[in-house]
Amino acid sequence: DAGVIQSPRHEVTEMGQEVTLRCKPISGHNSLFWYRQTMMRGLELLIYFNNNVPIDDSGMPEDRFSAKMPNASFSTLKIQPSEPRDSAVYFCASSLAGTTEAFFGQGTRLTVV
Amino acid sequence: KQEVTQIPAALSVPEGENLVLNCSFTDSAIYNLQWFRQDPGKGLTSLLLIQSSQREQTSGRLNASLDKSSGRSTLYIAASQPGDSATYLCAVKANQGGKLIFGQGTELSVKP
Repeated sequence: DAGVIQSPRHEVTEMGQEVTLRCKPISGHNSLFWYRQTMMRGLELLIYFNNNVPIDDSGMPEDRFSAKMPNASFSTLKIQPSEPRDSAVYFCASSLAGTTEAFFGQGTRLTVV
Repeated sequence: KQEVTQIPAALSVPEGENLVLNCSFTDSAIYNLQWFRQDPGKGLTSLLLIQSSQREQTSGRLNASLDKSSGRSTLYIAASQPGDSATYLCAVKANQGGKLIFGQGTELSVKP
C-alpha cells in the first residue's frame, strides 16, 4: 500500500482565494483525520470521520473551513476564503478503528500571502 | 479535557547514549497511546502503539512503557545514533475510532 496520500504537497495562494486539500486514506481504513500543525500550537485535530461520517468537527476553526468525505477513499478540506493565519502544514491520517494505529500522510504545506 | 505534555522540549545527547523521553496525560481513561517520529518537513511515522491494557511495547532499540494510573509513558532509546535525530511525539486516544491528542513533542539531537 502507498500509505496515506495527500495533494498538493505545497500550496501558495493569495488571501481570499479558495484552497482545497485532498487526501486518499489507506485502503480499508474506516477512520480519517485532518490535523493542522503550526509552531505555536503544535498538532491540532480539525475534524475526523468514521465510515465517511463526520464525528467530531469541534476543531474546525470557523465557517471558512469545511471537510467532506464522499466515499471511503477520498476526503477534502476546503478553506474559503483563505487568510494568512491559515498558513500551516495540514496532515491527513487514517486508521482501521479496530486496530487504532494511525498512519499519517506527508502533509500539505499551505502558505497564504 | 485531555492534555498531553512532553518533557523535555528539546534534548541533545552524544551518540551511543541511552535516553528517555517523557509523556504525561491528564485523563487516565485512554484507549491507547502512540509514539511518532517526525523528521523536519516530513510527515509523522508511527513508532510504537501501546493499548491501554499493555504495559510496554518494544521495537528494535525502542521501548515504550505505559502507566495509565499515573498518566505517564516513556520512550526509551538505546544506543542512540545520529539518525535518531528528529522530533518525537506522543499521542493518546480516548476511545476506539476517536481522535488522537498530541503532545508538543521532544526535539532530539544526537551528536556524532
